[in-house]
Amino acid sequence: KAGVTQTPRYLIKTRGQQVTLSCSPISGHRSVSWYQQTPGQGLQFLFEYFSETQRNKGNFPGRFSGRQFSNSRSEMNVSTLELGDSALYLCASSPTGNSGNTIYFGEGSWLTVV
Amino acid sequence: QKEVEQNSGPLSVPEGAIASLNCTYSDRGSQSFFWYRQYSGKSPELIMSIYSNGDKEDGRFTAQLNKASQYVSLLIRDSQPSDSATYLCAVTPAPTSGTYKYIFGTGTRLKVLA
Repeated sequence: KAGVTQTPRYLIKTRGQQVTLSCSPISGHRSVSWYQQTPGQGLQFLFEYFSETQRNKGNFPGRFSGRQFSNSRSEMNVSTLELGDSALYLCASSPTGNSGNTIYFGEGSWLTVV
Repeated sequence: QKEVEQNSGPLSVPEGAIASLNCTYSDRGSQSFFWYRQYSGKSPELIMSIYSNGDKEDGRFTAQLNKASQYVSLLIRDSQPSDSATYLCAVTPAPTSGTYKYIFGTGTRLKVLA
């Protein structure tokens, strides 16, 4: 069974630009969540989607947005990039996202903003 | 008070020793508890999950949960240099909370000395 696939793996953007990251969950998983990981803050929850609906959103500005498609694939977008957005962005999938589900991470997308 | 707290370390243990990693959480209604291992530059990978009080063993790993004390730990027996990584504790909120996010601690860095 294929794991969680994230693209692109590495990218460099300039301040003010926008970026879109993609995530394909494990086959059969309908919940996709996104996390930002930085050295100082650890893993910070961005949002979670299930059946194309955002069920939860973390404490991030509106520049961070996401969506989920009918095939459970998800994208997240960051607009007007700031230097502080440089981080590892992790996507995780689980069958339903309910408490008790194990979440499985993709390899992540390393974003550097210069 | 942070929702999930871990000592950042580094925790240094000699090869062959037992490494003990600890995690406390603030939400008394938390239902599910997970330990992930993250090597430098890689994404987190699941080591163990635990849902009820007591011990759960899997090979060299033992997870311990005490809901009354809001405490979960991970023991690694016969520690190997390959166990050197950051260990993340994750907690899911109560099912009745209506939230679908996993809350991570900032991780404990383990160094196993050869």
